[in-house]
Amino acid sequence: DIQMTQSPSSLSASVGDRVTITCQASQDISNYLNWYQQKPGKAPKLLIYDASNLETGVPSRFSGSGSGTDFTFTISSLQPEDIATYYCQQYDNLPTFGGGTKVEIK
Amino acid sequence: QVTLRESGPALVKPTQTLTLTCTFSGFSLSTSGMCVSWIRQPPGKALEWLARIDWDDDKYYSTSLKTRLTISKDTSKNQVVLTMTNMDPVDTATYYCARIRIGSHNYFDYWGQGTLVTVSS
Repeated sequence: DIQMTQSPSSLSASVGDRVTITCQASQDISNYLNWYQQKPGKAPKLLIYDASNLETGVPSRFSGSGSGTDFTFTISSLQPEDIATYYCQQYDNLPTFGGGTKVEIK
Repeated sequence: QVTLRESGPALVKPTQTLTLTCTFSGFSLSTSGMCVSWIRQPPGKALEWLARIDWDDDKYYSTSLKTRLTISKDTSKNQVVLTMTNMDPVDTATYYCARIRIGSHNYFDYWGQGTLVTVSS
């Protein structure tokens, strides 16, 4: 199975800060990488698909990049409503998720 | 409007078999490319993909859990059923079903609200 290593596992940033999360695949997955946001007690919500495509209705401060084994998710200006845990997920083979990154406000 | 809803027991005993049902609306599992997956999340931990069933009845399972899982569908009832045998306390988790459209949209675009299953004697 393809392993997804996500970092950091948690971070604390101020409102307006730029936040970056990375995800590394154990083998080349091309651009078969999605990013989800999960708020406490809720199901995950798709934000980015195919590594860099913004899902309809998702604010433009969210973005993704990368291909092959290394991927990056960015929040350009952190907002209070962005407090959540973020997960990467690959679909090159049977789906696997990263370990998650919990984002908090400093 | 696409919706999914999980149902099943909130509590099961160790060694028992868990049966969960995902009832959905707004799409048909007989449409080419349409699939439903089960995903779980132990309290405070990461998401774990479990299984997928496709419109053509192809089935896929987590490598680590495939000996314990069975997924099936009833297209006429718009339901997908997951059974997991030999339940253990480590299987305590919120279980989600989610839609995925293979080929054009390889992501989980709609999720149920999840159902918490606790394994305890």
